[in-house]
Amino acid sequence: DTGVSQNPRHKITKRGQNVTFRCDPISEHNRLYWYRQTLGQGPEFLTYFQNEAQLEKSRLLSDRFSAERPKGSFSTLEIQRTEQGDSAMYLCASSRSAGGGNEQFFGPGTRLTVL
Amino acid sequence: GQNIDQPTEMTATEGAIVQINCTYQTSGFNGLFWYQQHAGEAPTFLSYNVLDGLEEKGRFSSFLSRSKGYSYLLLKELQMKDSASYLCAVRDKNSGNTPLVFGKGTRLSVIA
Repeated sequence: DTGVSQNPRHKITKRGQNVTFRCDPISEHNRLYWYRQTLGQGPEFLTYFQNEAQLEKSRLLSDRFSAERPKGSFSTLEIQRTEQGDSAMYLCASSRSAGGGNEQFFGPGTRLTVL
Repeated sequence: GQNIDQPTEMTATEGAIVQINCTYQTSGFNGLFWYQQHAGEAPTFLSYNVLDGLEEKGRFSSFLSRSKGYSYLLLKELQMKDSASYLCAVRDKNSGNTPLVFGKGTRLSVIA
């Protein structure tokens, strides 16, 4: 257990439905990252926050995806009008902002299946 | 563009030594990480290199050559529990604690 928690751990939904995932980072970490991982691939960056500010969004993050971190603590990732191609493991990670060697600690992930 | 290459699969014998290579071509560089990922679980941090040379941590060592865009992870005295995917990841900006670009991972099978 790295101290990063994600809920739910599994989500099965029908195509076209909206889903929301939550990530609680390690409390003293001000950076929070979202990644997506499909079978046989490494994690792919989606977006990240410094406190409540969203600093960068990947080109992978279509308009159907939105992420928030309203109070600089937990974060939510919402996918609207889900498609089968959204099926993946969604990983959250957190880290300190300063210091070159500060590794990212990953949560257990939310596995999304879109039917 | 960004490219991180590592072998897809490797097999090694319990008690042996295995070296997993990683080559990268990125627009910037501010550190290389190795993570271990067991099936169905989150990646866990193994090592970090930002300067050339070898970093040793118990049974695991990681090497970096920035001029060659090359790293390896060395695992000694292999145990069955070392069967996992090993992910090479690079910070592709020249400064700051920025998101990581991951390779596809190397699936290591340790056999008796």
